[in-house]
Amino acid sequence: EDQVTQSPEALRLQEGESSSLNCSYTVSGLRGLFWYRQDPGKGPEFLFTLYSAGEEKEKERLKATLTKKESFLHITAPKPEDSATYLCAVQAGYYALNFGKGTSLLVTP
Amino acid sequence: DTAVSQTPKYLVTQMGNDKSIKCEQNLGHDTMYWYKQDSKKFLKIMFSYNNKELIINETVPNRFSPKSPDKAHLNLHINSLELGDSAVYFCASSQGQGTNEKLFFGSGTQLSVL
Repeated sequence: EDQVTQSPEALRLQEGESSSLNCSYTVSGLRGLFWYRQDPGKGPEFLFTLYSAGEEKEKERLKATLTKKESFLHITAPKPEDSATYLCAVQAGYYALNFGKGTSLLVTP
Repeated sequence: DTAVSQTPKYLVTQMGNDKSIKCEQNLGHDTMYWYKQDSKKFLKIMFSYNNKELIINETVPNRFSPKSPDKAHLNLHINSLELGDSAVYFCASSQGQGTNEKLFFGSGTQLSVL
């Protein structure tokens, strides 16, 4: 069975303090690994899709990387507005996304 | 102009009642989904429809019945509500069948069963 494990469950950072979120996965035939951001009371918002090991994608202060077993979401010099829950999901074959439980990020001024 | 809209935002009801959640997308997407997010924030697929046809039906009690009158709408009807049904239900859409990237989510319906 496909598994997605995210760590840490919660992370508190000072503004400007860079860090990384981890998503480890076991899946047969990875079709794609996805990162979403979810703000309280809202639906998840798409950030990135990664398809193969070695791939990297960037958006503002966020950079996502992928290996054969895990993905990292690097946050460089975060700001309070980056506070949210970050969700990782995998897709195998033509099936719906299998989500992890997320990392709740709080960035304090 | 909201891309994926679902109503109601909040739903509080008694055990045993029947309720519906409506979802509409104006993105022209072919595929729509229902996801359930439990109290631990775990987001799990329930159903997926492509052009009004059911393509994914996870292990969900028969009390849950999705209905897609057209490809822009996917409603969720729940019979005989139970305490364990309390969760946030998200509707989502994507462009093609099997291409799940860029799921667009609605803002969720928080269901509380008393």
